[in-house]
Amino acid sequence: AQSVTQLDSQVPVFEEAPVELRCNYSSSVSVYLFWYVQYPNQGLQLLLKYLSGSTLVKSINGFEAEFNKSQTSFHLRKPSVHISDTAEYFCAVKNRGSTLGRLYFGRGTQLTVWP
Amino acid sequence: DVKVTQSSRYLVKRTGEKVFLECVQDMDHENMFWYRQDPGLGLRLIYFSYDVKMKEKGDIPEGYSVSREKKERFSLILESASTNQTSMYLCASSSLDRATDTQYFGPGTRLTVL
Repeated sequence: AQSVTQLDSQVPVFEEAPVELRCNYSSSVSVYLFWYVQYPNQGLQLLLKYLSGSTLVKSINGFEAEFNKSQTSFHLRKPSVHISDTAEYFCAVKNRGSTLGRLYFGRGTQLTVWP
Repeated sequence: DVKVTQSSRYLVKRTGEKVFLECVQDMDHENMFWYRQDPGLGLRLIYFSYDVKMKEKGDIPEGYSVSREKKERFSLILESASTNQTSMYLCASSSLDRATDTQYFGPGTRLTVL
């Protein structure tokens, strides 16, 4: 079975500051890794994902995450945040060998960016 | 553009009522999912389906059932609503052909049971 731990439930930061949202996972099999974002009053949308290849993956809006197999982590980072990045962020894993597409989610991290 | 729609954004029901939450996707996806989202608990999987008339229990199926009569539609049923089922319900879909593909989410239905 897979499990995901998001170490911080709330992360407040000031605008233009750097941020890191931490994610660790536990799995007995190889996994794919995902970060989803949920803006207020909306559903979740994919932010970025790691499937294979380069362990550093990037989103179109400046976020990046690095897969660290030895530490079983997939932390999300942004060097300079904007007010519009305020949202809840979910880390998720999926069993590589599964075709069913089931994701296992962490409990989420609420990122609040203050002016 | 991909789209998952849910029948209601907000719903208020009374204890004991039968409640239907509808989800429709237009991407011809095989997999469909129902989650509930509660503060501090993240997303918990209730049921999922990988084909018409097929269903699998997730982590918290108690008090819920599902129906998938057509590929594009996946319904969540609360047979007798209770106050502890007050929550945000999210539907999602994904493709079976591309097993690594993204799950696409609907906007959610916020259900209040009084």
